Amino acid sequence: SQELEQSPQSLIVQEGKNLTINCTSSKTLYGLYWYKQKYGEGLIFLMMLQKGGEEKSHEKITAKLDEKKQQSSLHITASQPSHAGIYLCGADGTSYGKLTFGQGTILTVHP
Amino acid sequence: DGGITQSPKYLFRKEGQNVTLSCEQNLNHDAMYWYRQDPGQGLRLIYYSQIVNDFQKGDIAEGYSVSREKKESFPLTVTSAQKNPTAFYLCASSIWGNGNTIYFGEGSWLTVV
Repeated sequence: SQELEQSPQSLIVQEGKNLTINCTSSKTLYGLYWYKQKYGEGLIFLMMLQKGGEEKSHEKITAKLDEKKQQSSLHITASQPSHAGIYLCGADGTSYGKLTFGQGTILTVHP
Repeated sequence: DGGITQSPKYLFRKEGQNVTLSCEQNLNHDAMYWYRQDPGQGLRLIYYSQIVNDFQKGDIAEGYSVSREKKESFPLTVTSAQKNPTAFYLCASSIWGNGNTIYFGEGSWLTVV
């Protein structure tokens, strides 16, 4: 089965700093999803990457998928307290539509 | 508004009791999913359904049951056979197939007392 490992597990930054969260797969990724979650709430879809080398941005968040399609990174520029939460990567495995998730990265942004 | 509605938000269960978590979607999605979330472990798939009257076990189906009698509804029953049911449960839906975004509900907290 596909396994996803996220790093770091937790991250504390000062407001205004840049940060990167990584997601590494044990197998080739057919689709890589990034979600954000507030503790005890549902997941909010951020971005989805499918092609090797693909990069997408939304506001101050950029996600990339490497050429080999086994690693993705999520980069936040000039972080704000509103960016705080749990970031989860999820991947399409060999079965259509079922996502396997990483364990999540807890982001804290201090004002 | 379109979306996925889970209820109740908080549920307490006595040991030995079955409980049912509701999930309704008005997105006209074929596929629906149930995930369980425990601290530090991400999300794990319990059951999924590609189409009405059909569903498949996920990675941790033991102690759970589901039904899919209507396209809009995918209730999850946590049975007394589930040894450690206290967790956060998330329902999701999507158009079936690779590359389609999976949308999530707000989740339900289940606590065994």
